Amino acid sequence: KAGVTQTPRYLIKTRGQQVTLSCSPISGHRSVSWYQQTPGQGLQFLFEYFSETQRNKGNFPGRFSGRQFSNSRSEMNVSTLELGDSALYLCASSLVAGGPHEQFFGPGTRLTVL
Amino acid sequence: DQQVKQNSPSLSVQEGRISILNCDYTNSMFDYFLWYKKYPAEGPTFLISISSIKDKNEDGRFTVFLNKSAKHLSLHIVPSQPGDSAVYFCAARDGGFKTIFGAGTRLFVKA
Repeated sequence: KAGVTQTPRYLIKTRGQQVTLSCSPISGHRSVSWYQQTPGQGLQFLFEYFSETQRNKGNFPGRFSGRQFSNSRSEMNVSTLELGDSALYLCASSLVAGGPHEQFFGPGTRLTVL
Repeated sequence: DQQVKQNSPSLSVQEGRISILNCDYTNSMFDYFLWYKKYPAEGPTFLISISSIKDKNEDGRFTVFLNKSAKHLSLHIVPSQPGDSAVYFCAARDGGFKTIFGAGTRLFVKA
């Protein structure tokens, strides 16, 4: 069974630009969550989608948005990039969200904003 | 507002000895706790979990202990192996749809 895939793996953008990251969950998984990882901050929750619906959102500005398609693939968009958006963005999938269901993470997209 | 705290950024242990990684939380509504391990250039991988109705869960060399009154959990690795060197994240859920992660502890196991 293929794991969670994220594209692209690396991205360099300049301030003010916008970026779209993609995540393909494990086949059969309907829940997709996004996290931002920065040094010393651990994984900060961005949002979680299930069956194309956003069910929870973390404390990030409206510049961060996402969506999920009918095939469970998800995209995350960041508009008007700032230097502080440089981070590793991780996507995780699970059968359902919450409870004992472990999440399976992709390798991440390393975003650098210059 | 850090609801899940891992106060030790790093830990160094000799091979064969016990590694103890600690995690504190503030939200008494958390009902499930998980530990993940992360190697460089890879996403985190699930290690072990525990429900809030239990105080211990064991899986091979890994044991997680939960002290609800102290809002504290710990991960014990016995015996520690060089391949265990990684960043370990503690995570918690409140029955909702998001998982709160700590900042991580980097474990070094010396051969």
